[in-house]
Amino acid sequence: GEDVEQSLFLSVREGDSSVINCTYTDSSSTYLYWYKQEPGAGLQLLTYIFSNMDMKQDQRLTVLLNKKDKHLSLRIADTQTGDSAIYFCAESPSSGGSQGNLIFGKGTKLSVKP
Amino acid sequence: NAGVTQTPKFQVLKTGQSMTLQCAQDMNHNSMYWYRQDPGMGLRLIYYSASEGTTDKGEVPNGYNVSRLNKREFSLRLESAAPSQTSVYFCASSEVVVSYEQYFGPGTRLTVT
Repeated sequence: GEDVEQSLFLSVREGDSSVINCTYTDSSSTYLYWYKQEPGAGLQLLTYIFSNMDMKQDQRLTVLLNKKDKHLSLRIADTQTGDSAIYFCAESPSSGGSQGNLIFGKGTKLSVKP
Repeated sequence: NAGVTQTPKFQVLKTGQSMTLQCAQDMNHNSMYWYRQDPGMGLRLIYYSASEGTTDKGEVPNGYNVSRLNKREFSLRLESAAPSQTSVYFCASSEVVVSYEQYFGPGTRLTVT
């Protein structure tokens, strides 16, 4: 079945770059997403990438997609303490009648130290 | 534009009690979803509704029922709450046209004692 894997924790110093990695299983996923969850809040879409793209950049965020290895990464440049949150990778699987459903990873908790 | 709203924000139930979690969206989205979030488990889909009048089971539907009351509202009911249903519940909605991105509500923190 579909599965999305992420490491659970990442700790960086303020000003450094953060790289959060994700692997997924459905090679025919149309879109892949990064969501951010701050403490006590719901998930907020950060960015997404269409499966025919290799890279997408949006201000401090860079998403890299390696379709061959089914690997997705999120790079946050100049990481700030306000970036401390849980980051979820998600894919939109193409199978069956679950159109629109997303499969989420377990989330990576990013801690930014001053 | 409030987006996705959920009520209540917090709830404590005793084992065996019932309750309904409410969700509403004002974005005219066709699809709505209920997830639960448990520590170390990520988000797991309970039920979803691809359009008004339809509902389908997700990954963890046991112990829950849903109603898609109209296009705006999607409720989740626990008929007989169990401690294993202690969790944070999120409602989401999406317009399944282009990118399937989902918009989430702020969540309901439920404790069953």
